[in-house]
Amino acid sequence: EAQVTQNPRYLITVTGKKLTVTCSQNMNHEYMSWYRQDPGLGLRQIYYSMNVEVTDKGDVPEGYKVSRKEKRNFPLILESPSPNQTSLYFCASSSDSTTEAFFGQGTRLTVV
Amino acid sequence: QKEVEQNSGPLSVPEGAIASLNCTYSDRGSQSFFWYRQYSGKSPELIMSIYSNGDKEDGRFTAQLNKASQYVSLLIRDSQPSDSATYLCAVDSYSGAGSYQLTFGKGTKLSVIP
Repeated sequence: EAQVTQNPRYLITVTGKKLTVTCSQNMNHEYMSWYRQDPGLGLRQIYYSMNVEVTDKGDVPEGYKVSRKEKRNFPLILESPSPNQTSLYFCASSSDSTTEAFFGQGTRLTVV
Repeated sequence: QKEVEQNSGPLSVPEGAIASLNCTYSDRGSQSFFWYRQYSGKSPELIMSIYSNGDKEDGRFTAQLNKASQYVSLLIRDSQPSDSATYLCAVDSYSGAGSYQLTFGKGTKLSVIP
């Protein structure tokens, strides 16, 4: 089954404790991206990657890191999480930016 | 920064009516336009994509694009309670150095009243 898999689905952590949210896709897609979704602010792009070893900042990259060492995986790293990073996070993949994006199930992160 | 604007709603329509959702965008160079549906607590899923001016129909859904006015809309005919969701407009735009970015509007919440 074609899918984008994010883990974990839910995470509660403390300020400053490094964490990684994993994202994996099995569709051989070139383009992957991370979004955060907050009430009243919609989906905002954090980082995106057009291919292996190529990553670009989205609209809200501060406080986040990503890597794209292989095509299927695109982890999101929070080196020192803060409460303002409490949000619902989605990973997405597509063949390229002009085609349908497939979304993961979402990760609800709470930083206390 | 590229902007995609939608009315936040909520938009309420009676069952069987036509629901009309609108979206404007700021980047004149945008070439790809999408409508996603998101049920509460779920991931967005693609409803329609449109790339050229005019109308594109798929079942009860029709997407309309007017690049001169920088406007894209989604019509839902014979609305059903199951159509109640938030509808997200997304626009692709060039962000430099061969890189493209997908920007989403904040979404319009649709409620279909039985």
